[in-house]
Amino acid sequence: GDSVTQTEGQVALSEEDFLTIHCNYSASGYPALFWYVQYPGEGPQFLFRASRDKEKGSSRGFEATYDKGTTSFHLRKASVQESDSAVYYCALGDWGRALIFGTGTTVSVSP
Amino acid sequence: DTTVKQNPRYKLARVGKPVNLICSQTMNHDTMYWYQKKPNQAPKLLLFYYDKILNREADTFEKFQSSRPNNSFCSLYIGSAGLEYSAMYLCASSREIQNERLFFGHGTKLSVL
Repeated sequence: GDSVTQTEGQVALSEEDFLTIHCNYSASGYPALFWYVQYPGEGPQFLFRASRDKEKGSSRGFEATYDKGTTSFHLRKASVQESDSAVYYCALGDWGRALIFGTGTTVSVSP
Repeated sequence: DTTVKQNPRYKLARVGKPVNLICSQTMNHDTMYWYQKKPNQAPKLLLFYYDKILNREADTFEKFQSSRPNNSFCSLYIGSAGLEYSAMYLCASSREIQNERLFFGHGTKLSVL
């Protein structure tokens, strides 16, 4: 079945560091790819989506590019802030099916 | 208003007892979902309603039931809780099923003792 793999379980950074979270997917169809962010005590929130190869999604300084060739959708941010500390989930959605999530990456940013 | 509400926020249950979790949304979304989240695991889809049609995942088919009495409300029912049901339960909604962003509630943390 379809699946999403996030390589990093936890990432510790200092403010203004560059963030990369790796996301790779496996799907039989041509899925849409998503990033969600979850802050403590809240449910996951939609960050952005990309639906086709080479499309870039972005929001709040975060970005990721759909790469069908490498089946990847890596999340990047050039300069993180303490307020970016959260859990980040990569997800895929295919026709007629609910979203499938990765295991999440906990990002901790220290001042 | 883009709110999905879940009640209660924390739930304590005894092994063998039933559990009923409630979710509501005011966005008139056609689809409502229940995910189960355990530590160090991905959120796992349990079931979803598209309008009045219930779709349950094959591996959790017999463990969870649900009802949707109207467009705004959806419940998740466990007939006899076991220790393995301890988890965060996340409710979400969306307009359609495919490729749509989900709006999540803050979750209900269920502890089974």
